[in-house]
Amino acid sequence: AQSVTQLDSQVPVFEEAPVELRCNYSSSVSVYLFWYVQYPNQGLQLLLKYLSGSTLVESINGFEAEFNKSQTSFHLRKPSVHISDTAEYFCAVTFNYGQNFVFGPGTRLSVLP
Amino acid sequence: EAGVAQSPRYKIIEKRQSVAFWCNPISGHATLYWYQQILGQGPKLLIQFQNNGVVDDSQLPKDRFSAERLKGVDSTLKIQPAKLEDSAVYLCASSLGGVGKTQYFGPGTRLLVL
Repeated sequence: AQSVTQLDSQVPVFEEAPVELRCNYSSSVSVYLFWYVQYPNQGLQLLLKYLSGSTLVESINGFEAEFNKSQTSFHLRKPSVHISDTAEYFCAVTFNYGQNFVFGPGTRLSVLP
Repeated sequence: EAGVAQSPRYKIIEKRQSVAFWCNPISGHATLYWYQQILGQGPKLLIQFQNNGVVDDSQLPKDRFSAERLKGVDSTLKIQPAKLEDSAVYLCASSLGGVGKTQYFGPGTRLLVL
């Protein structure tokens, strides 16, 4: 079965430190890749996505993710986090260029002062 | 542009009762999704509509869950009868449809079954 893995359920990090949130998926078939963020008491919001082209994609608030086909990964990184980045981050994948998302279990990022 | 609207935001019921959730997607979005998000897990797709037709309901527990999307706009999701394990957040999302399109999520309905 197609699945998405986020190995780290919780990641505490100090403000201004770098962070990497890991995402791996089960298959090397054609995929589209997404990161969604859920701030406290808010709905899911798209952070960034990879459809084609450059394997490195960026968001407007400093996050980036790199598609690695051989590793079947789409890790999310930020060189310097802020308190406001505290949220839950979900990796989502569509397999075989389909429309349906398979979500990972999420990683709770806590940025400490 | 208005986002995806859902109501109610919270619902508490006893097991074996029935409950219904409502979703109004972003105007012009042909595709509508219902997800179930259990605490500590990622959202799981229950059903996908394209206009008012069902595209995928393979993970919908059809013995107790039903959903409809009349006129291809608003949608309702019903649970009858509810079980304790149905306690979750029910998310509605919409998109323009087609592969790779961004899904826009509503705030969700938090259901607690006692």
